[in-house]
Amino acid sequence: DSGVTQTPKHLITATGQRVTLRCSPRSGDLSVYWYQQSLDQGLQFLIHYYNGEERAKGNILERFSAQQFPDLHSELNLSSLELGDSALYFCASSVVEGGNSPLHFGNGTRLTVT
Amino acid sequence: AQSVTQLGSHVSVSEGALVLLRCNYSSSVPPYLFWYVQYPNQGLQLLLKYTTGATLVKGINGFEAEFKKSETSFHLTKPSAHMSDAAEYFCAASGSARQLTFGSGTQLTVLP
Repeated sequence: DSGVTQTPKHLITATGQRVTLRCSPRSGDLSVYWYQQSLDQGLQFLIHYYNGEERAKGNILERFSAQQFPDLHSELNLSSLELGDSALYFCASSVVEGGNSPLHFGNGTRLTVT
Repeated sequence: AQSVTQLGSHVSVSEGALVLLRCNYSSSVPPYLFWYVQYPNQGLQLLLKYTTGATLVKGINGFEAEFKKSETSFHLTKPSAHMSDAAEYFCAASGSARQLTFGSGTQLTVLP
């Protein structure tokens, strides 16, 4: 158990809809990262927050947004969903930002867009 | 930005045989390097991380990685494969951008 909790585990929704994925980092971790894993794109970095502030953006679509709350949990919002958004979305946390600090991953949310 | 290349999307070995999974990174300055493992329906777990100055890094479950700066490589090995090692393995690197870049992954199959 990594200590990172992601909910829900599975999500099935229709095109055009909006969903929210939630992540609770390990106790004491200030950094939260979101990754998307799909068969064709592999593991893609989406966004990084540190202690409530956005620190880096990767290949995140404009339809997607995220935030980290004062209690350090994070939410990833996906809107105007398309079939191609179907993927496994991972949250990871670490004590500090990047560098040599390893990431601890949750078990992911599997999103299916029909 | 960092780039990580894993040679071989699928590797099959017999139980008890040597496991060798290849990883090359693209940087003249060695980044921070990691190997992660992903079992079906689970998140990624850290196997090992590179420590500056070391050439051989030991990880969990008997895995090791050898850092070769001249070859910009960080290959993962295990002397004797076990059935429970079947999983997908990811090499990752992070540099000044503070984000972890992953390779495309190598699916390891262990044959009885």
